[in-house]
Amino acid sequence: DAMVIQNPRYQVTQFGKPVTLSCSQTLNHNVMYWYQQKSSQAPKLLFHYYDKDFNNEADTPDNFQSRRPNTSFCFLDIRSPGLGDAAMYLCATSRDRGAGRGYTFGSGTRLTVV
Amino acid sequence: AQKITQTQPGMFVQEKEAVTLDCTYDTSDQSYGLFWYKQPSSGEMIFLIYQGSYDEQNATEGRYSLNFQKARKSANLVISASQLGDSAMYFCAMREGKGDQFYFGTGTSLTVIP
Repeated sequence: DAMVIQNPRYQVTQFGKPVTLSCSQTLNHNVMYWYQQKSSQAPKLLFHYYDKDFNNEADTPDNFQSRRPNTSFCFLDIRSPGLGDAAMYLCATSRDRGAGRGYTFGSGTRLTVV
Repeated sequence: AQKITQTQPGMFVQEKEAVTLDCTYDTSDQSYGLFWYKQPSSGEMIFLIYQGSYDEQNATEGRYSLNFQKARKSANLVISASQLGDSAMYFCAMREGKGDQFYFGTGTSLTVIP
């Protein structure tokens, strides 16, 4: 029944070694989001896709990239992880834009950088 | 200006008592949606309750109710009969009718005391 699935749940990566986090959805939602959440803070939007249209937040570092090869999958690539990139990464989906209630989070990937 | 303000960084409540978590919002849109999420230490974001700006009745979901006061721009969460498992971080969030953004407050950490 899982609708937004994030893999892996926990990821340990080495400083500077590229890492990819994945998100898949069975909801056929148009919009997919990536958030970074550091300890005791609110989630911070990194970027989102509306269908194939990529929208990057102005303050998202260049070190973070994303791919959405099809409706179901979205990837977050961190090209050279630093210690400051250790965080929970949350994927979310939404059927469409606007104020409706259909907004679903995955269970997150907790990234540790060593 | 902050879109969502949560002024209570931490709250304590006795088991079986009710507790209110405060949230105020700022928007010029007529159409918007307000959300509350629970985030336990495991990190997943659990949807609790939704209130649409045009909804005339306050939303309720089991032990959760949303005290929606449109003129005051407040959307407080009321948890009745608190349980130990309610101990978690609680986030208030908003979507506006225009755009893709989902705005979070800074969260309130709730501790239920036996």
